[in-house]
Amino acid sequence: SQQGEEDPQALSIQEGENATMNCSYKTSINNLQWYRQNSGRGLVHLILIRSNEREKHSGRLRVTLDTSKKSSSLLITASRAADTASYFCATDATGANSKLTFGKGITLSVRP
Amino acid sequence: EAGVAQSPRYKIIEKRQSVAFWCNPISGHATLYWYQQILGQGPKLLIQFQNNGVVDDSQLPKDRFSAERLKGVDSTLKIQPAKLEDSAVYLCASSLTELYSGNTIYFGEGSWLTVV
Repeated sequence: SQQGEEDPQALSIQEGENATMNCSYKTSINNLQWYRQNSGRGLVHLILIRSNEREKHSGRLRVTLDTSKKSSSLLITASRAADTASYFCATDATGANSKLTFGKGITLSVRP
Repeated sequence: EAGVAQSPRYKIIEKRQSVAFWCNPISGHATLYWYQQILGQGPKLLIQFQNNGVVDDSQLPKDRFSAERLKGVDSTLKIQPAKLEDSAVYLCASSLTELYSGNTIYFGEGSWLTVV
């Protein structure tokens, strides 16, 4: 079963605008990660946020984590056409044999 | 640093035939994963190895799928016999150690399988 559920399923914005994507999950986690996948390619790691962290930045990316609400958001500022891709949140649930469980993804289209 | 290598990149087979995918993880990475990604969905973990031992294969359809990681390095994933619903991208990934230590996992480009 897929733990992370992203919202919205698809997002279309103009270049230069900010893109906000949300992820909700169901169980306790060690960390939450966001990945990007360009069409026909493998997944690329973007950012990891641990369960004891609330916010993290990396370049134009800002990730927040609210463990009380079991949710996370990914903000991409000043979007570019090259940001067009699918974005996935993935959770590393606590417990033995923890593994990374992915959501269904968000398709982001950035119009030039 | 070389990434995760996978081959073949594309494969078309008829149902009931067999297919094998190969993966070479990043050097020094102890943990290796095989994920299945059906079009329009997120990746689903099939099997996770720690060195050459299986950590999790709970979602591997063992009647038709098998995987091995000889000598704790390269891995192969085999499907026999293939079904139409096996059409997907098979992603290999690796990480330095177990995920709970906060390591990132690195993905290969994937092996695209079409079963006709």
